[in-house]
Amino acid sequence: DAEITQSPRHKITETGRQVTLACHQTWNHNNMFWYRQDLGHGLRLIHYSYGVQDTNKGEVSDGYSVSRSNTEDLPLTLESAASSQTSVYFCASRAGGSTNEQFFGPGTRLTVL
Amino acid sequence: KNEVEQSPQNLTAQEGEFITINCSYSVGISALHWLQQHPGGGIVSLFMLSSGKKKHGRLIATINIQEKHSSLHITASHPRDSAVYICAVRSGGGADGLTFGKGTHLIIQP
Repeated sequence: DAEITQSPRHKITETGRQVTLACHQTWNHNNMFWYRQDLGHGLRLIHYSYGVQDTNKGEVSDGYSVSRSNTEDLPLTLESAASSQTSVYFCASRAGGSTNEQFFGPGTRLTVL
Repeated sequence: KNEVEQSPQNLTAQEGEFITINCSYSVGISALHWLQQHPGGGIVSLFMLSSGKKKHGRLIATINIQEKHSSLHITASHPRDSAVYICAVRSGGGADGLTFGKGTHLIIQP
C-alpha cells in the first residue's frame, strides 16, 4: 500500500545544530508540504513543493529550508536549530488538482535544548 | 490570509450523545477538510468538502459556501470518538497548503 513516512519520529538536539527531518511518500504525489504543530497555534505551513526542483515558502518558513530532488522525498532542514523550533512536524502530500485529499505522515517530535 | 475559527474549543459529552463541531472561515475556498487526531497520534483525513454534505458511518459533514461555514456531526457518540477534530481550508489562490483551525478537543465519557 502507498504510504507517507517520516524519520526520525523523535529527535533531541542542541541549539545551533543543523537538523534534517526526512519525509518519503510512495503515492507518487506531486504536491508535498511541511507543517509544524504547536499548542495555541494549531498547524502552520512551513514550506511546500509542487514538484521536482520546486519549493515555496509558507507562513512560518524562517529558519527552515527544503529541497526536492525527486518526487518521493521532501527533506526539511533546520539550518541552526533554535528552542523556538521545538515542535511536532508533519509532512503531507496530495495529488494535483484543487480538491484532492491530503495525506499526512505520522509526525516527528523535535526538541531543541 | 484565511482565518479559520472552530467552536467549541473543548467539548465533553456522554456516550450516545449527538455531537456538533463548527468551523467558519473568512475567505472563499476551493476545499474544506475535517481531520481527526488522537492523543500522541497522527492526523487522519475524515472528509474533504467543496459543497453540500458527506456521510461516513456515524460522521456527517456539511458545508455552506455562501455563509463560509461547515459543521461536523457525530451521531451515537462513543468513547473511541474522543480526539481532536481539526478543520482546515484550502484557498483558491496563493499558498497552496492548508490553513487550519486550532482544533476541538472532544471527550466522550462512557
